[in-house]
Amino acid sequence: GDSVTQMEGPVTLSEEAFLTINCTYTATGYPSLFWYVQYPGEGLQLLLKATKADDKGSNKGFEATYRKETTSFHLEKGSVQVSDSAVYFCALSSLPYRGGTSYGKLTFGQGTILTVHP
Amino acid sequence: SAVISQKPSRDICQRGTSLTIQCQVDSQVTMMFWYRQQPGQSLTLIATANQGSEATYESGFVIDKFPISRPNLTFSTLTVSNMSPEDSSIYLCSVEDKGHEQFFGPGTRLTVL
Repeated sequence: GDSVTQMEGPVTLSEEAFLTINCTYTATGYPSLFWYVQYPGEGLQLLLKATKADDKGSNKGFEATYRKETTSFHLEKGSVQVSDSAVYFCALSSLPYRGGTSYGKLTFGQGTILTVHP
Repeated sequence: SAVISQKPSRDICQRGTSLTIQCQVDSQVTMMFWYRQQPGQSLTLIATANQGSEATYESGFVIDKFPISRPNLTFSTLTVSNMSPEDSSIYLCSVEDKGHEQFFGPGTRLTVL
């Protein structure tokens, strides 16, 4: 079945440090890939997504590239801020997006807690 | 984007009792999902609830334990029945909007004693 594996946390960084959170997946077919973020006391929010190989999703300075050859979707940010402290979840939808169709069920990784200190 | 609220936000319950969690969304949506996040673990889909049809349950989850209602396009409930301490989790609902993005509610933190 589908599965997502994230690097174990927690991750603690100083402000302006470089961030990488690794994510690899196993899926049948051609999944769509997502990063969700959960800020303290808030619900999960979609951070970025990629629907086909070599696509790069980006938002709020975060980037992730869909690497089919390594089945990876690593999250990166060049300079983190204290406000980036949150839990980050990698996820996949095993339904390939065909424009106008549902992504349907999401399979999540275990989440990575990021704490950024001033 | 859809705005989702859940009630209650948290509860502490005795084993053997049941709790109904409500999920309200500010716009009409076709697809709603219920997830569970057990302590220290990932989110796991319980069921998909589409208005006008029976909920579709994932492997390991059954209707008798987690009955779901979906009376209209903006509301759904999940009941956790005959609870045991193993049911202690965060329960989240999510909706898929017209742009096919999933938006999540803030979650209901359930503790079963």
